[in-house]
Amino acid sequence: NAGVTQTPKFQVLKTGQSMTLQCAQDMNHEYMSWYRQDPGMGLRLIHYSVGAGITDQGEVPNGYNVSRSTTEDFPLRLLSAAPSQTSVYFCASSNTGLGTEAFFGQGTRLTVV
Amino acid sequence: GEDVEQSLFLSVREGDSSVINCTYTDSSSTYLYWYKQEPGAGLQLLTYIFSNMDMKQDQRLTVLLNKKDKHLSLRIADTQTGDSAIYFCAERKNSGYALNFGKGTSLLVTP
Repeated sequence: NAGVTQTPKFQVLKTGQSMTLQCAQDMNHEYMSWYRQDPGMGLRLIHYSVGAGITDQGEVPNGYNVSRSTTEDFPLRLLSAAPSQTSVYFCASSNTGLGTEAFFGQGTRLTVV
Repeated sequence: GEDVEQSLFLSVREGDSSVINCTYTDSSSTYLYWYKQEPGAGLQLLTYIFSNMDMKQDQRLTVLLNKKDKHLSLRIADTQTGDSAIYFCAERKNSGYALNFGKGTSLLVTP
């Protein structure tokens, strides 16, 4: 059982480049989300989805796009990378029932130069 | 949004108890969580408590909840060097599924 899989683990981008961070889960979870983790800031919610075809913005959505065409996959797109997007990105999934555990991927460490 | 507050650092000696405190924001939050993050890894759920409970014990872990003061604590008994990590408090608000995290408490356990 793979759980939540994120790729790549590490990435360096030049300012202005675009890329997609991949997230896949095999637990048939309805809810998926993306967080970024910055030193001294904890985890901040970027975007989330409560099911295929449904996405919504979190606390810090600017500069990021998401889509949810299948239950399993929730990619995060950076359209034009900026140094301020240097961070560690975590994808999480859970069932939508209250109290259920959110499972996290291992993270993607992104550096924008 | 409003902040979930945690102290940033805690250092204890091996074998002592550790207490990590958290103040959350929303009195209507239904579930409160403690996650552990080891270096270079994702977040691992340690335990959670439902808002109608005052205490939950799970082996070496004890969670205390003071709903009136919106205060949550995690006590780790007989702390071991393997407990060194960052501990995050998180609340799930009644209105949604997203978790609102604190900034994390870095626990250092010294021999």
